[in-house]
Amino acid sequence: DQQVKQNSPSLSVQEGRISILNCDYTNSMFDYFLWYKKYPAEGPTFLISISSIKDKNEDGRFTVFLNKSAKHLSLHIVPSQPGDSAVYFCAASEGADGLTFGKGTHLIIQP
Amino acid sequence: DAGVIQSPRHEVTEMGQEVTLRCKPISGHDYLFWYRQTMMRGLELLIYFNNNVPIDDSGMPEDRFSAKMPNASFSTLKIQPSEPRDSAVYFCASRGQGDEQYFGPGTRLTVT
Repeated sequence: DQQVKQNSPSLSVQEGRISILNCDYTNSMFDYFLWYKKYPAEGPTFLISISSIKDKNEDGRFTVFLNKSAKHLSLHIVPSQPGDSAVYFCAASEGADGLTFGKGTHLIIQP
Repeated sequence: DAGVIQSPRHEVTEMGQEVTLRCKPISGHDYLFWYRQTMMRGLELLIYFNNNVPIDDSGMPEDRFSAKMPNASFSTLKIQPSEPRDSAVYFCASRGQGDEQYFGPGTRLTVT
């Protein structure tokens, strides 16, 4: 039973355009959501997060949106840059527990 | 800060052998997590500690897996005996006062 789902295994976006990565969850007890970026042969790197009491959090080119009623969150990257090419993981936690991860979306930025 | 340190980075062993993976969390972090990444199951939580005490080990797959945290700066994940299906990348992560976890580079384990 997958509690966090990323339904797009891959996404290709042109440099300079907006990248939108989506994530759905089923556990209504999750109260904190995070996005991680991962390059090959490295550990996941924290990117941005959002608490369940908010619906938007912005950090530079990265914005995360949370729709609690739909149990959906998305990560927007604008403008997309070649260095953004990586695998992006959506993760969720309940309190101080460990993270539940989605399977990841491989983002490819085309020049 | 050196970040989370894991060793070894790569481990190749034969089925039946004991394997020990090591982790040094970020200084001052009081939570430590062990995760495993496989193609089939993705990234999954195995166990986590708070102030060196195991809090939730429900993700540990079998009794062949054990984890310890003898002090705030060191943790081990042991597999005895190892099996080919244990082949995966094992990540250690730590967390301080914030909600973000910081991951190490991982140990790629291959059991033949």
